[in-house]
Amino acid sequence: AQSVAQPEDQVNVAEGNPLTVKCTYSVSGNPYLFWYVQYPNRGLQFLLKYITGDNLVKGSYGFEAEFNKSQTSFHLKKPSALVSDSALYFCAVNLNTGGFKTIFGAGTRLFVKA
Amino acid sequence: NAGVMQNPRHLVRRRGQEARLRCSPMKGHSHVYWYRQLPEEGLKFMVYLQKENIIDESGMPKERFSAEFPKEGPSILRIQQVVRGDSAAYFCASSPEEKLFFGSGTQLSVL
Repeated sequence: AQSVAQPEDQVNVAEGNPLTVKCTYSVSGNPYLFWYVQYPNRGLQFLLKYITGDNLVKGSYGFEAEFNKSQTSFHLKKPSALVSDSALYFCAVNLNTGGFKTIFGAGTRLFVKA
Repeated sequence: NAGVMQNPRHLVRRRGQEARLRCSPMKGHSHVYWYRQLPEEGLKFMVYLQKENIIDESGMPKERFSAEFPKEGPSILRIQQVVRGDSAAYFCASSPEEKLFFGSGTQLSVL
């Protein structure tokens, strides 16, 4: 079965420290990979995507993600966390099968402490 | 260009009633998706529609749930005879391509 796994329910970091939110996937073919962020009582917002090319992709708000095909991972990173980065982060995979159906991980809640 | 519009933001129904959730995609977007989010769970795909067509409904419960995206007007997610387990946030997204644009969701509460 095709799936996206986010092994951490919650990640805690201190402001100014680097952060990593992990994601692995189990999907056949060459999927498109995404990160979305959700703030309280809001819909999801697009952060970044990987389709092809350079394994390190840069997105909004200083976030970046590294695609690793051999490990089927797409971890989200930021060199220096801000308190305002505290939110719920979702990894997602677009199955790229002629439509745009996207499946999501369970989400990781990020807490950045001042 | 207005974003994806969902209404109502909050919907309260008693068990056995019908719930209708509406979604107007962004202008120019022909693909609409519905997702359900339960507390402490991720987004669960429900259905993918294009104008007048259901493309993929593999995530829709077999009974009581239906969705449409007519030629004119918003997409509708309809839940008949709601039960307490239907209480959740329902999100609609639209896209012109692979990137999704989400509405703010409808929080359905079943009493």
